[in-house]
Amino acid sequence: RKEVEQDPGPFNVPEGATVAFNCTYSNSASQSFFWYRQDCRKEPKLLMSVYSSGNEDGRFTAQLNRASQYISLLIRDSKLSDSATYLCVVNSRAAGNKLTFGGGTRVLVKP
Amino acid sequence: EPEVTQTPSHQVTQMGQEVILRCVPISNHLYFYWYRQILGQKVEFLVSFYNNEISEKSEIFDDQFSVERPDGSNFTLKIRSTKLEDSAMYFCASRRSGASYEQYFGPGTRLTVT
Repeated sequence: RKEVEQDPGPFNVPEGATVAFNCTYSNSASQSFFWYRQDCRKEPKLLMSVYSSGNEDGRFTAQLNRASQYISLLIRDSKLSDSATYLCVVNSRAAGNKLTFGGGTRVLVKP
Repeated sequence: EPEVTQTPSHQVTQMGQEVILRCVPISNHLYFYWYRQILGQKVEFLVSFYNNEISEKSEIFDDQFSVERPDGSNFTLKIRSTKLEDSAMYFCASRRSGASYEQYFGPGTRLTVT
């Protein structure tokens, strides 16, 4: 089983619509969780950390379900500029705080 | 807003040559990382570095790789004898300290080995 697994997509989303996607992680000792955004051939950019209670940042909402070992991201009122690959990332403090990345979910927002 | 910087943006080298990739982490950060991403694949951890020593390294980070913090600002990754399969984007990242586990990435160096 992959350490961090994501649906690669693409998710084709009409502008203004809502899109949601999940990732699952296999290491129950994972302690910190993040969503990064990556544009083509660019560096991963931190979108948001994911907290146990769930958290929201503008149009973005992240949820964590430790019991089922999955993390979700919801984007409301999608903009064309939201088109990117969204990377689910987990951190294990026991392993030098290295980040383990999923393969990414590609989102294409269309007019 | 402070950023991680990396040079060069693109490096082309011949197989067997040594390359040094350079990074300047965010100035008040204490933890430094190298990751790589082969084209079309996911981002993979290479090594973490804290207090002038390696704290964790992956299986990829074999004897051909080394890291150094030669002064108070630079953090370098050296590949001693490059192979074709070393062709990838190499990202440097840094993290502040304490309870903040968020890592910030530089723009990357695209390494092409011919």
